[in-house]
Order: sequence, then structure tokens, then C-alpha cells
Amino acid sequence: QLQLEESGPRLVKPSETLSLICDVSGGSISSSAYFWGWIRQPPGKGLEWMGSFSHRGGTFFSPSLKSRLTISSDMSKNQFYLDLNSVSAADSAMYYCARGRPVVPFFDHWGQGTLVTVSS
Amino acid sequence: EIVLTQSPATLSLSPGESATLSCRAGQSVGTSLAWYQQRPGRAPRLLIYDASNRATGIPARFSGSGSGADFTLTISSLEPEDFGLYYCQHCSTWPPNFGPGTTVEI
Repeated sequence: QLQLEESGPRLVKPSETLSLICDVSGGSISSSAYFWGWIRQPPGKGLEWMGSFSHRGGTFFSPSLKSRLTISSDMSKNQFYLDLNSVSAADSAMYYCARGRPVVPFFDHWGQGTLVTVSS
Repeated sequence: EIVLTQSPATLSLSPGESATLSCRAGQSVGTSLAWYQQRPGRAPRLLIYDASNRATGIPARFSGSGSGADFTLTISSLEPEDFGLYYCQHCSTWPPNFGPGTTVEI
């Protein structure tokens, strides 16, 4: 059974880089049949797609985050990563990793999420 | 990018009643639309994809319809566990944006 689990610091200082890991089990991120992505949700607000990648399908970013966002992966560890630089309080949110089904993905499996607060 | 709107913002209903949620896209997305349920404190769960296909394990009381720019999620005979937030998301082009959500409350 596919499982995704987010991990990383819960508190990040303004202007620093927010880095998260998504650990995937029960399925391979090297499969070209799926996209893998990050979605966030500020407290009390809606869902915001951040970016997604597929082994052969490329990497896509939200236009509003493209300049600050990096998504990478380590297939040997079956993990993928989010790095969001120059963070501010507006980046405080629950961050979810998820598996997406192509071509432009909808997300059929989600991690439980990790809450990240940006504060000094 | 394609913007989605959802209506109503809040739907107040009783268990056993039916719920009709609307999602409208700023331009045609064909049938490339998904619906998610989010219960308090939980991750979103895929309900419907390709406008009308139920995801694995989703009860038959959830149904989706529509094409082009107008879509509907219908929940027949609400169960207590159905109360929560519902989001639509288009999968037509990048970026695959989400709608703002509809709250179904008791």
C-alpha cells in the first residue's frame, strides 16, 4: 500500500530556506506512470498546488513560487524534496506531499502533512 | 492559468439530506476535474476524478457530473462523516489549481 510521509523542521526563520522530505513507501518515485508533488495549506485557508515532477515528465512549478522553489528527488532512497527559499510568515502552512496521476495530475494519495511555521 | 470558483461557500444541511456543490472554471477544462474531501485535521482525500469517476473506495452516494466549465458534486443522503470541506481541482493545464472550497456543515 502506497504511503507518503513528510518530515522536516517545524519552525523556520524568516528569509531562510524551508526544506522538507517526502518519504515514499509501497511504490517507486522512479515510475514514469505518476507525478509526485507538493501542496500546501495555510491555517484556515485553501489548498495551493506548489509543484510536481515525474521521472520522465519533467518538473512544473506554480508561477507564484517558481523563483523560490526547488523540487528534487533521490530515487535510491525513494524520497523527494522541497526547498523554498526566502520564506516569510506567508509561507507558514501545512505542507503535503502527494502522488499525482497524469497527464496534468490530480492527487490520489496524500501524506498526512507537516505544519511549518515561519517565525523568528 | 485557469481559476476555479466554488459555490456556495457554506452549505448547511442535516444528515440524510442531499448536497449539491458547484465548481466553475474560468475556461473549459473538458472533463479534467477532480473533487476532494477534507475532514478537520486530516489530509484531503480524492473523491472524484475525470469529472465523474469515483476514486477507489469512495461510496456510491458521491457522484460527479459536468464538462466544459461547469461541474457538480452531489452527495446523496449525507452521513455524519461527510461533513467537512470539499475542493475541486482542474487537471487540464499547468498549473492544476484548486478551487477555494465549500464547507458542508451540520
